[in-house]
Amino acid sequence: RKEVEQDPGPFNVPEGATVAFNCTYSNSASQSFFWYRQDCRKEPKLLMSVYSSGNEDGRFTAQLNRASQYISLLIRDSKLSDSATYLCVVSLYGGATNKLIFGTGTLLAVQP
Amino acid sequence: ETGVTQSPTHLIKTRGQQVTLRCSSQSGHNTVSWYQQALGQGPQFIFQYYREEENGRGNFPPRFSGLQFPNYSSELNVNALELDDSALYLCASTRTGTDYEQYFGPGTRLTVT
Repeated sequence: RKEVEQDPGPFNVPEGATVAFNCTYSNSASQSFFWYRQDCRKEPKLLMSVYSSGNEDGRFTAQLNRASQYISLLIRDSKLSDSATYLCVVSLYGGATNKLIFGTGTLLAVQP
Repeated sequence: ETGVTQSPTHLIKTRGQQVTLRCSSQSGHNTVSWYQQALGQGPQFIFQYYREEENGRGNFPPRFSGLQFPNYSSELNVNALELDDSALYLCASTRTGTDYEQYFGPGTRLTVT
């Protein structure tokens, strides 16, 4: 079983649509949670951190359920510029090491 | 921009050869991590260096090794290259090992033929 699992997609949605990505993680010792965005052939960039209380940044809302080991990302009013791969990431601390564990990513294609 | 640079951007090597990839972190960032991203996969943790010493390693064989220097630069060395080593190699830096936000460089795309 992969440590972080997410639907690879692709998700093809029209502009203006609402799209939701889900992710599960297997290690209950995971301590921090994130969504990263990766454009084609570029490096991953932090989109937002994820907290149990839920957090929102403009059109993006992220939610964490520690009991179910489940992370979600909601994108409202999709824009063409949202087309990218969205990576679900958990952080595992071991001693002095902070290791990021990535899912395989979900590809989003927003169509005009 | 993250202030993290990597060189070269692209590299083609032959199976069995050795390669050195370089990363320059932000000033003050004492921790650097290296990740391997194969096509269609998420990045996989290779190892982390803090103040010039390796302090964590993922499931990669010993032919993957690293160095970190006092001037915030670092290297990833891979010996005896295999075809499966073809990937995007990313370095990421943070101030300390436990800072949650890691700043990624643009990566080096390695092709092994």
